[in-house]
Amino acid sequence: GQQLNQSPQSMFIQEGEDVSMNCTSSSIFNTWLWYKQDPGEGPVLLIALYKAGELTSNGRLTAQFGITRKDSFLNISASIPSDVGIYFCAGRENTGTASKLTFGTGTRLQVTL
Amino acid sequence: EAGVAQSPRYKIIEKRQSVAFWCNPISGHATLYWYQQILGQGPKLLIQFQNNGVVDDSQLPKDRFSAERLKGVDSTLKIQPAKLEDSAVYLCASSLLGGFTDTQYFGPGTRLTVL
Repeated sequence: GQQLNQSPQSMFIQEGEDVSMNCTSSSIFNTWLWYKQDPGEGPVLLIALYKAGELTSNGRLTAQFGITRKDSFLNISASIPSDVGIYFCAGRENTGTASKLTFGTGTRLQVTL
Repeated sequence: EAGVAQSPRYKIIEKRQSVAFWCNPISGHATLYWYQQILGQGPKLLIQFQNNGVVDDSQLPKDRFSAERLKGVDSTLKIQPAKLEDSAVYLCASSLLGGFTDTQYFGPGTRLTVL
């Protein structure tokens, strides 16, 4: 099955720095989602984007739905230690009664003090 | 509100053995999903239920994997027989209706190791 391409694969940053990661697809999606996964836990939804060009914020997080509907980016401002984890993008397609998520390959974020 | 519950949290088996995972979704959620997450990758959808009916199982390896959701609540995912490449975390998720703006809530997963 398809997986979306995320970059970078991993990042090491200092506390207080801003972070930017993106996600690209060869397919068009109706919805773009960003999740965070901590070790030993399932992914938790951070931001959902429903329209091409949409820019949405959630606290220190900002995400955008690309105009082509084939990409999205996530920015984290002023990173803190609890931002450590793996960030996944996901594209959603609605196919009749199903609502299918396709996940990216993930970006692992490490924050140093 | 209780989240999605899964058990066991960890399972180690030998290849060719059988294994089953259990999931209890958030109360009232009609839609239930099983995902496979191989180390270093994002989750991949295996099967989606709407109440007790299957709406998408296109990525489920049906020769060895089966899943059921009796009475539209709890669900079990079975692998029989297991292969080495089945080593992964199996995540269960649920959502209210499975609609366009629904949020999927994930459980903690079951980590399967096949030796």
